[in-house]
Amino acid sequence: DTGVSQDPRHKITKRGQNVTFRCDPISEHNRLYWYRQTLGQGPEFLTYFQNEAQLEKSRLLSDRFSAERPKGSFSTLEIQRTEQGDSAMYLCASVRDPVETQYFGPGTRLLVL
Amino acid sequence: GESVGLHLPTLSVQEGDNSIINCAYSNSASDYFIWYKQESGKGPQFIIDIRSNMDKRQGQRVTVLLNKTVKHLSLQIAATQPGDSAVYFCAENSAAGNKLTFGGGTRVLVKP
Repeated sequence: DTGVSQDPRHKITKRGQNVTFRCDPISEHNRLYWYRQTLGQGPEFLTYFQNEAQLEKSRLLSDRFSAERPKGSFSTLEIQRTEQGDSAMYLCASVRDPVETQYFGPGTRLLVL
Repeated sequence: GESVGLHLPTLSVQEGDNSIINCAYSNSASDYFIWYKQESGKGPQFIIDIRSNMDKRQGQRVTVLLNKTVKHLSLQIAATQPGDSAVYFCAENSAAGNKLTFGGGTRVLVKP
């Protein structure tokens, strides 16, 4: 257990529904990252926050995706109008500056039917 | 990173033998590299890291080697144990944004 927690661990939804995932980073970690991982692949970067500011978004993050970190602690990732191609493991990682090692949570596995 | 789809390269190793996992990275500007271990249904777990000003770093039963000339990274696991069975990913961190770029992964199967 790295200290990064994610909720829920599993989510099954129907195409077109909205889903929201939560990540609680390690306490005092000021940077928080979201990644997506599909079967057999390494994680791919989606977006990251420095405290409450969202500093970078990947082009993988379509308009249907939005992430927030309102108080610089936990973060949420919302997917609107889910599509079957959104099925993946969504991973969260946190870091405390100036250390660079990212510690990952257990992930949320999403299945869109 | 290199994509291998559903068919991950697999390294089968006898318990007690040494394992060597290789990785080619893509960005010559990357200055920090990490090896992660991922067990089924879990998030990646940090194993060892190395900065670009080093060519070797040792941890407990693990050694990472970095060859910047050919952009190659390797992870050596000594006396491989059944608990080492997992998928191993290398990741590179370029200075821009500090986001990680992962390689395609290698599955290690330890035979008792």
